[in-house]
Amino acid sequence: QQQVKQSPQSLIVQKGGISIINCAYENTAFDYFPWYQQFPGKGPALLIAIRPDVSEKKEGRFTISFNKSAKQFSLHIMDSQPGDSATYFCAARSKWFGKGTLLTVNP
Amino acid sequence: DSGVTQTPKHLITATGQRVTLRCSPRSGDLSVYWYQQSLDQGLQFLIQYYNGEERAKGNILERFSAQQFPDLHSELNLSSLELGDSALYFCASSVDRENTEAFFGQGTRLTVV
Repeated sequence: QQQVKQSPQSLIVQKGGISIINCAYENTAFDYFPWYQQFPGKGPALLIAIRPDVSEKKEGRFTISFNKSAKQFSLHIMDSQPGDSATYFCAARSKWFGKGTLLTVNP
Repeated sequence: DSGVTQTPKHLITATGQRVTLRCSPRSGDLSVYWYQQSLDQGLQFLIQYYNGEERAKGNILERFSAQQFPDLHSELNLSSLELGDSALYFCASSVDRENTEAFFGQGTRLTVV
């Protein structure tokens, strides 16, 4: 059973556009939600994280929006750049991971 | 560079064999985590050790085992290997035991033929 569901599986965005990746979870006991970025041939790297008592967290061009009542959260990448092309994973703690979203940003 | 070191980077072995993957955590980190990444299953948490003791268990098969040594490095042992065990195996570490954020190594790509 997938504890964290992630969509879309892949996403193509033009340079300068907004990339949006969505995740949902079922277990209300989950209390920490990190996002990881993975480039080919590398391990995942922590990008940004949020706790459910916060509705939004922003770090540079990356923003997490959190809806506790809906048990959903999303990653927004503003002004997307070709260097952002990678696979993004949402997670509950660093234990239950979504299946990943392959983001391609076209120049 | 996360500071987590995994060896070897690549491993090719035959079905039925046993292999050992090694991980050195970041300096000062007490927790070590192991993950398996495959195309169909995604990133799966296998097991966590904290300061030498098993802390949490995930989807780890009985054919797999791990340990963390007094110097905090960790080994993941995979035995009776099957074709389906071919995957990327990641080690990660963190300073605490709470499995909130983890710093990943570059992985070991295991191919079972």
